[in-house]
Amino acid sequence: LAKTTQPISMDSYEGQEVNITCSHNNIATNDYITWYQQFPSQGPRFIIQGYKTKVTNEVASLFIPADRKSSTLSLPRVSLSDTAVYYCLVGDIGTGGYNKLIFGAGTRLAVHP
Amino acid sequence: EPEVTQTPSHQVTQMGQEVILRCVPISNHLYFYWYRQILGQKVEFLVSFYNNEISEKSEIFDDQFSVERPDGSNFTLKIRSTKLEDSAMYFCASSVRGATGELFFGEGSRLTVL
Repeated sequence: LAKTTQPISMDSYEGQEVNITCSHNNIATNDYITWYQQFPSQGPRFIIQGYKTKVTNEVASLFIPADRKSSTLSLPRVSLSDTAVYYCLVGDIGTGGYNKLIFGAGTRLAVHP
Repeated sequence: EPEVTQTPSHQVTQMGQEVILRCVPISNHLYFYWYRQILGQKVEFLVSFYNNEISEKSEIFDDQFSVERPDGSNFTLKIRSTKLEDSAMYFCASSVRGATGELFFGEGSRLTVL
């Protein structure tokens, strides 16, 4: 079971770039790295997923070094609406295959004016 | 944009009662999940479901819980004999490719057990 470690909380200001790093030292060869965002009283929402190197979409970038033991979610020019909890997950192989994702405690990002 | 819908949004029940939470996954998705989140805590995996059977379940998902896909659209979570500690937000999710793909979560059903 690949365990993830990420900062409990982070603070930033509007317009800044935010980088949240996640450690997953025992990631398995077939595991993917996925980031989710959760606002209060809402379900988690997929942000980005990657396996290695760099992945970019319209909301974020994901940097994964060659050893894949960590990953960094980069949010460019955050706004107040980016205040949320961000979860780093590593795809876990259950008895039936890729059938579950385990959420950790996440990182509470607070964006200030 | 297609979305996962859950009903009810909030249910209050007495301890010992049975509760059924309903979910309508996105129509072309094949993998279904239930998660729960106790207030202020992390999102916890309960169960995954594929091809009309449970694929994986956590230690939380004991005999008190059951899931069913009674027709082609609904996916239900039944909690028998509810306990106070079952009070939580329950999220349904679905995906096309299983846990390596994007999971689409519903807005959740808040269960309050008195």
